[in-house]
Amino acid sequence: QVQLVESGGGVVQPGRSLRLSCTASGFTFKSYAIHWVRQAPGKGLEWVAVISYDGTINYYADSVKGRFTISRDNSKNALFLQMNSLRADDTAVYYCARAGTVWSHFDYWGQGTLVTVSS
Amino acid sequence: EIVLTQSPGTLSLSPGERATLSCRASQSISSTYLAWYQQKPGQAPRLLIYAASSRATGIPDRFSGSGSGTDFTLTISRLEPEDFAVYYCQQYGSSPWTFGQGTKVEIK
Repeated sequence: QVQLVESGGGVVQPGRSLRLSCTASGFTFKSYAIHWVRQAPGKGLEWVAVISYDGTINYYADSVKGRFTISRDNSKNALFLQMNSLRADDTAVYYCARAGTVWSHFDYWGQGTLVTVSS
Repeated sequence: EIVLTQSPGTLSLSPGERATLSCRASQSISSTYLAWYQQKPGQAPRLLIYAASSRATGIPDRFSGSGSGTDFTLTISRLEPEDFAVYYCQQYGSSPWTFGQGTKVEIK
């Protein structure tokens, strides 16, 4: 069955960096685009970034552009989100979500990993 | 950026009743690029409807989607106990991908 498992969350001080991972199984990872979506505590869903199946196309939300970098390693069925210059308003549960293409609906989601930015 | 506005914010209904959730876009969206998700507390969102009216795999037929242009609707024909949750609409046809703020369907 399709599985997406996020890891790498934790507590980090403002201004520091963190790298999230999303490990996939149960499908041909290299054939799918993958998104990151976050959800601040008690709030709604906010799209963060997307990467195409081959890594050649990516887009970012304005709120993270220049600070976050999405990447993937298809040989390891893994997706990454490098988060630099973290701010308190980056505190959220971060989900990875699969999409058929960059312009497709999100058909499977991981369970999320919590990032807390606090001094 | 396409802003999606969902209404109502909260819907208080009893099991067996019909739920009608609205999603209005700030500009016209091709129906190909409109989805609905369900989220329960402590869980990840789950895809219900894509392309405005197509049910995702395993979704019961009491869930249906409709609409076009700027107005879209998710209907739950008869609420089951497991349907009480938060529902989000989403557009995925232009960057940035955006979600509505959510409608909470709660037990009356």
